Amino acid sequence: GNSVTQMEGPVTLSEEAFLTINCTYTATGYPSLFWYVQYPGEGLQLLLKATKADDKGSNKGFEATYRKETTSFHLEKGSVQVSDSAVYFCALSDRGYSTLTFGKGTMLLVSP
Amino acid sequence: GAVVSQHPSRVICKSGTSVKIECRSLDFQATTMFWYRQFPKQSLMLMATSNEGSKATYEQGVEKDKFLINHASLTLSTLTVTSAHPEDSSFYICSASGRGRGEAFFGQGTRLTVV
Repeated sequence: GNSVTQMEGPVTLSEEAFLTINCTYTATGYPSLFWYVQYPGEGLQLLLKATKADDKGSNKGFEATYRKETTSFHLEKGSVQVSDSAVYFCALSDRGYSTLTFGKGTMLLVSP
Repeated sequence: GAVVSQHPSRVICKSGTSVKIECRSLDFQATTMFWYRQFPKQSLMLMATSNEGSKATYEQGVEKDKFLINHASLTLSTLTVTSAHPEDSSFYICSASGRGRGEAFFGQGTRLTVV
């Protein structure tokens, strides 16, 4: 079956530091890959996505590249802000956007 | 993006009672709604998928008689946890997708505590 593994948190960084949150996956076929973000007290929001190998998803300074050879979709941001503090979920789907398999989530804490 | 509202955000109930959680799409017609459960430090696990006007499809291992899902309209789905027990304590979250929408939109989640 499908599965997603992401690094355990919390990840604690100072403002303007470089961020990497690792995500690897196991899936049959060619899934689409997603990063969702959950700010405190809110629902999950789609942050970025990639639908085929070598695609790069990007949004709000975050980016992730679909690496089929390493089955990875690591999230990166060059300079984090306090407002980026949230829980980040890596996910995949092999049946369209709606049917998702999630990782456990990684909490990011950014201090001033 | 579209808005999905989930209510209540937090509920505490006594063991043996039933709890209803609502999931509403506020500005679009949700043809499909999904219910997830999240244990502490675990992934979101899909419990069931419901299409408006038809019976929900439950994932393997989810008790359909315990977790009743109703999707009677294009803007509302409900999850009722019947005869709740402490092991049902968890974070429940819904998502909704509609025709022509390329993604599913998530509610804020409900923290259920059974005492």
